[in-house]
Amino acid sequence: GQNIDQPTEMTATEGAIVQINCTYQTSGFNGLFWYQQHAGEAPTFLSYNVLDGLEEKGRFSSFLSRSKGYSYLLLKELQMKDSASYLCAVSANDYKLSFGAGTTVTVRA
Amino acid sequence: NAGVMQNPRHLVRRRGQEARLRCSPMKGHSHVYWYRQLPEEGLKFMVYLQKENIIDESGMPKERFSAEFPKEGPSILRIQQVVRGDSAAYFCASSPQGVGDTQYFGPGTRLTVL
Repeated sequence: GQNIDQPTEMTATEGAIVQINCTYQTSGFNGLFWYQQHAGEAPTFLSYNVLDGLEEKGRFSSFLSRSKGYSYLLLKELQMKDSASYLCAVSANDYKLSFGAGTTVTVRA
Repeated sequence: NAGVMQNPRHLVRRRGQEARLRCSPMKGHSHVYWYRQLPEEGLKFMVYLQKENIIDESGMPKERFSAEFPKEGPSILRIQQVVRGDSAAYFCASSPQGVGDTQYFGPGTRLTVL
């Protein structure tokens, strides 16, 4: 099976930076995805990494190291609206996504 | 460009009744996935379908659950004789291709079994 681990909760101050780590052990690898999910809403696609390195998209960046089975999502210049759950998901040898339990980020003023 | 649509958004059923959840994928997407999210847990894969074909239903309980994606119309996830443990949020996602492609999620159906 697949094993995806990420911290349960993180708290940060408005304007700060937060890094959410994700480690995975999967049989095969076709890419790693990060989604944002506000309470009661759909997961929204944030980023996709399939090669090692950093992908930057505005205030959000995602990093991947395939040899270490490790990724992180970096949120810069935090805003109150960034308070949400952040889901790490891996596509192994097939099409289905295996999700971590999610990291709840709380942004405080 | 409409996203993935699901209905109903909220569904209440009594034990023993049937629940039907509908999903219309994004325009141009022919791959549909269903996931279940229990409170405080991650999303769990249930089934993957293409038009008129079930490709993988390995995550779906063997009994009471079925899914279809007909040639015309939305994909349907059907739960017969619901039990309280079926209470969860059911999300549908779609993608234009299959392996490794980005999946876009609908708003989900929150099923409550009384």
